[in-house]
Amino acid sequence: AQKITQTQPGMFVQEKEAVTLDCTYDTSDPSYGLFWYKQPSSGEMIFLIYQGSYDQQNATEGRYSLNFQKARKSANLVISASQLGDSAMYFCAMREGEMEYGNKLVFGAGTILRVKS
Amino acid sequence: GAVVSQHPSRVICKSGTSVKIECRSLDFQATTMFWYRQFPKKSLMLMATSNEGSKATYEQGVEKDKFLINHASLTLSTLTVTSAHPEDSSFYICSATLQVGEKLFFGSGTQLSVL
Repeated sequence: AQKITQTQPGMFVQEKEAVTLDCTYDTSDPSYGLFWYKQPSSGEMIFLIYQGSYDQQNATEGRYSLNFQKARKSANLVISASQLGDSAMYFCAMREGEMEYGNKLVFGAGTILRVKS
Repeated sequence: GAVVSQHPSRVICKSGTSVKIECRSLDFQATTMFWYRQFPKKSLMLMATSNEGSKATYEQGVEKDKFLINHASLTLSTLTVTSAHPEDSSFYICSATLQVGEKLFFGSGTQLSVL
């Protein structure tokens, strides 16, 4: 069964507008972490934002915010004021278990975001 | 922030040859490194977890004799694709974890093309 599901293979957004990239996850572990990474065409993976399962507030990092709905098991990424440089592949990922068990991540299929000028 | 260097960025080789890919943590000691494989426009699939000074832990379906991983020091892990074949052509990317903190840092990836 898929542990991380990203249902949007591709998204378009107008420059300066906000966009939400969907991510749902499946785990029975009470302790887990959720990550979003950006992968531009160069291939490198760029960390964007992290949300821990016990965090009370939604994570924010500059223009990135994570809409964490624990009961629904969703961790959508919101990018505000989109820029042309935001065009990339975006991956949602999950780490299960406590930190001492390692940082093994499971990735979703990814969403390609294209920002239009 | 922490930097992970991966080399080479691109390699083209003949079928049957072996290729070594290096992953270095430049400004921190990485007790654990991870190797991922990514097919075009696909997600990253974890291949193995590499711990310094011990044998790598391979994910199910990954041939340990085909993909040799060595983590000889706290700053270097290598992935050797032995007797490479065209089906091994892929994008390989490593990541390393800090001693503390929640983030994984990724290398820039290696595009392997086997002719």
